[in-house]
Amino acid sequence: GQNIDQPTEMTATEGAIVQINCTYQTSGFNGLFWYQQHAGEAPTFLSYNVLDGLEEKGRFSSFLSRSKGYSYLLLKELQMKDSASYLCAVAWDNTDKLIFGTGTRLQVFP
Amino acid sequence: EPEVTQTPSHQVTQMGQEVILRCVPISNHLYFYWYRQILGQKVEFLVSFYNNEISEKSEIFDDQFSVERPDGSNFTLKIRSTKLEDSAMYFCASSGVTGVQETQYFGPGTRLLVL
Repeated sequence: GQNIDQPTEMTATEGAIVQINCTYQTSGFNGLFWYQQHAGEAPTFLSYNVLDGLEEKGRFSSFLSRSKGYSYLLLKELQMKDSASYLCAVAWDNTDKLIFGTGTRLQVFP
Repeated sequence: EPEVTQTPSHQVTQMGQEVILRCVPISNHLYFYWYRQILGQKVEFLVSFYNNEISEKSEIFDDQFSVERPDGSNFTLKIRSTKLEDSAMYFCASSGVTGVQETQYFGPGTRLLVL
């Protein structure tokens, strides 16, 4: 099946760096998205990877290894407002349908 | 910055009733989607829509669901006879020109409660 695995919960301290991992089935892979979702709100787009390597956007970076079926989202200089769920979503088989992981709930403490 | 909008923000209905959830996608986007998220669970794909027809649908999107683009701006999801298990947050999303490998932008959602 089109399984996506990511940790359920993580905690970190304000100002620190945190890495959220995501693994997925490689067959038919066609792109990976990271979204942020605050409780009761819509997912908001953070980053997109389809080729191997690192994409950097300010405090947030995302890495992809296609051969390993692995991605991570790196959040630097954590702020309290970064407390949210981080959703890994993958497209397969040349379709635009997104399959979401269960999300990683990140809590940032002062 | 353009955004996807949805109405209503909340809807409460009785089991067996019909509901229509409305969305206005980003104006120059061509690909439209509905997803749902049951409380505490992951976001699930329902249907994608392009060029006035469904391009893909999930197993969840059975005969009680339908989508329509009634005019140049609105995109609707109709649930014909609601069930208790339809209670969820329903998100509309849109993407630009190619659909595939394009970012999908989500609306704020409609929280549906079926009693």
